[in-house]
Amino acid sequence: NAGVTQTPKFQVLKTGQSMTLQCAQDMNHEYMSWYRQDPGMGLRLIHYSVGAGITDQGEVPNGYNVSRSTTEDFPLRLLSAAPSQTSVYFCASSPWGQREYEQYFGPGTRLTVT
Amino acid sequence: AQTVTQSQPEMSVQEAETVTLSCTYDTSESDYYLFWYKQPPSRQMILVIRQEAYKQQNATENRFSVNFQKAAKSFSLKISDSQLGDAAMYFCAYRIIQGAQKLVFGQGTRLTINP
Repeated sequence: NAGVTQTPKFQVLKTGQSMTLQCAQDMNHEYMSWYRQDPGMGLRLIHYSVGAGITDQGEVPNGYNVSRSTTEDFPLRLLSAAPSQTSVYFCASSPWGQREYEQYFGPGTRLTVT
Repeated sequence: AQTVTQSQPEMSVQEAETVTLSCTYDTSESDYYLFWYKQPPSRQMILVIRQEAYKQQNATENRFSVNFQKAAKSFSLKISDSQLGDAAMYFCAYRIIQGAQKLVFGQGTRLTINP
């Protein structure tokens, strides 16, 4: 198993550009989520999905779109990049269930918006 | 809304000594999980230990143990016999049992191990 993979590892964008951060998992997990990590603020939830075709907003969803067409993939789209979106982005997945506690994190994508 | 607070931005400890990292949280729920995650320079998030709120016994994983005080909403991590490989950012996190598995993280504590 590759676990949770994220591409790219690093990305530099200019203000106003759009791009998609890719996330894939090969563990057949129903639950997937995106977090951003900013200095001094820990990780904050952007969007999450409890299964194919089902997504919902987290704590900081503005400026981001998601979709879940397959169980394996959960891409995060930046519609018009802004310097405030400079951050490290983590994707995570987990089996679905109240007592399922282990979340598997990807290696992260460092995004810089100039 | 649930919040998690780590009041120690940085901590340091001598190798082989014991260190305790603090975490407090705010919730009106009675059934939830608490976690400590380790993030080394590689950025990988590693689950160190978890505590289920309905269990009174404090969780232990080898050199890592927690002091869970449910009434005080406190969840500290004790690292015994500190090793150089323990140097990392440590994040406290919370999630309710019901519904989506959304994690709420604290701000993190950077732990330095002095040889």
